[in-house]
Amino acid sequence: DGGITQSPKYLFRKEGQNVTLSCEQNLNHDAMYWYRQDPGQGLRLIYYSQIVNDFQKGDIAEGYSVSREKKESFPLTVTSAQKNPTAFYLCASSPGTVNTEAFFGQGTRLTVV
Amino acid sequence: GEDVEQSLFLSVREGDSSVINCTYTDSSSTYLYWYKQEPGAGLQLLTYIFSNMDMKQDQRLTVLLNKKDKHLSLRIADTQTGDSAIYFCAESPYSSASKIIFGSGTRLSIRP
Repeated sequence: DGGITQSPKYLFRKEGQNVTLSCEQNLNHDAMYWYRQDPGQGLRLIYYSQIVNDFQKGDIAEGYSVSREKKESFPLTVTSAQKNPTAFYLCASSPGTVNTEAFFGQGTRLTVV
Repeated sequence: GEDVEQSLFLSVREGDSSVINCTYTDSSSTYLYWYKQEPGAGLQLLTYIFSNMDMKQDQRLTVLLNKKDKHLSLRIADTQTGDSAIYFCAESPYSSASKIIFGSGTRLSIRP
């Protein structure tokens, strides 16, 4: 079955640690995205990638980093520089630049303890 | 700039129609989308409309697009308890290829 998979579903991090959230898709989509969701604020774009080995900052990229070494994978690292990392993180992919119908993973809930 | 706005809450009686409204700012948007999010889950695409259309109907869902006013609406006929969720409007601006702009979401609750 084609789809997009995020792991883990729940993640706990100590203050000052970096953590990496996994996102894998087997839909052969060119574009991939990371969003952060906080209650009542909808989705805010962290980073997106239109093609392998290329990515752009979204609206709230500070404290995050990404890589796109393979078409199917777009991991997100939440660094210690992100001051308020507790949130629900959603990864998505879409076919390309014209039709951006996005397919979402089930999300990773990150909690700083 | 790019912005999508929605009201945060909507409450309807079971069996009535729900109408969720959205306004957007980028007139170059090619596609406009409606997504549904159930608790603790990712977003699921419900329907989308191409910018040269005024209306699209898909079973209980009707999407209306008013390009002049940059207004998009989603009507759910015969609303059921399973329709309780957060509904997101989204646009794909032509000026920002591959970038999808989401509204803040409308939480739909169903009264018996």
